[in-house]
Amino acid sequence: SQTIHQWPATLVQPVGSPLSLECTVEGTSNPNLYWYRQAAGRGLQLLFYSVGIGQISSEVPQNLSASRPQDRQFILSSKKLLLSDSGFYLCAWRVDLRGGYTFGSGTRLTVV
Amino acid sequence: SQQGEEDPQALSIQEGENATMNCSYKTSINNLQWYRQNSGRGLVHLILIRSNEREKHSGRLRVTLDTSKKSSSLLITASRAADTASYFCATSGDSNYQLIWGAGTKLIIKP
Repeated sequence: SQTIHQWPATLVQPVGSPLSLECTVEGTSNPNLYWYRQAAGRGLQLLFYSVGIGQISSEVPQNLSASRPQDRQFILSSKKLLLSDSGFYLCAWRVDLRGGYTFGSGTRLTVV
Repeated sequence: SQQGEEDPQALSIQEGENATMNCSYKTSINNLQWYRQNSGRGLVHLILIRSNEREKHSGRLRVTLDTSKKSSSLLITASRAADTASYFCATSGDSNYQLIWGAGTKLIIKP
């Protein structure tokens, strides 16, 4: 069966520290992968998406970057976190560009 | 950017009642999707309705789509406490890689 793993579930990081969030997908190949951020009580903001290994598209220029070193692995990174990077980060995948998403359980990031 | 706008922003009803949430959007779409999010969790895909469909059912869920009015509604019948969650609509265009999300409706089912 197809599953998506995202970790950690919660993270508290000081301002200026680096960040690495990892997402892996099982049970499918060549998925379209996405990183979203959700501010409290708000909808989702697309940060990055990837249609293949090494292919990253950024929707919002900011302090974050993404990488896809393997077909089913998607990593969200930052060299120096800002307070404004706090939020709920969600990884998702879908098979085709018009289908529904399958989301990971999310990472609650608090930058202090 | 956000295209979908759900209303109401919040809805509180008694268990057993029906809950209706609405979503409006601005541009032409290929499909519209509804998701549920329990507090602090990831989103769960509920229903996808294509632009050439007018109504779709899944269990206690009924989704309608009116492309002339650029609107959709999600009806949950015979609500249960477990339906308490935020519900989001998202639209997919013909030639883009992303969904455009609304801000969601927070639904509270009172026992």
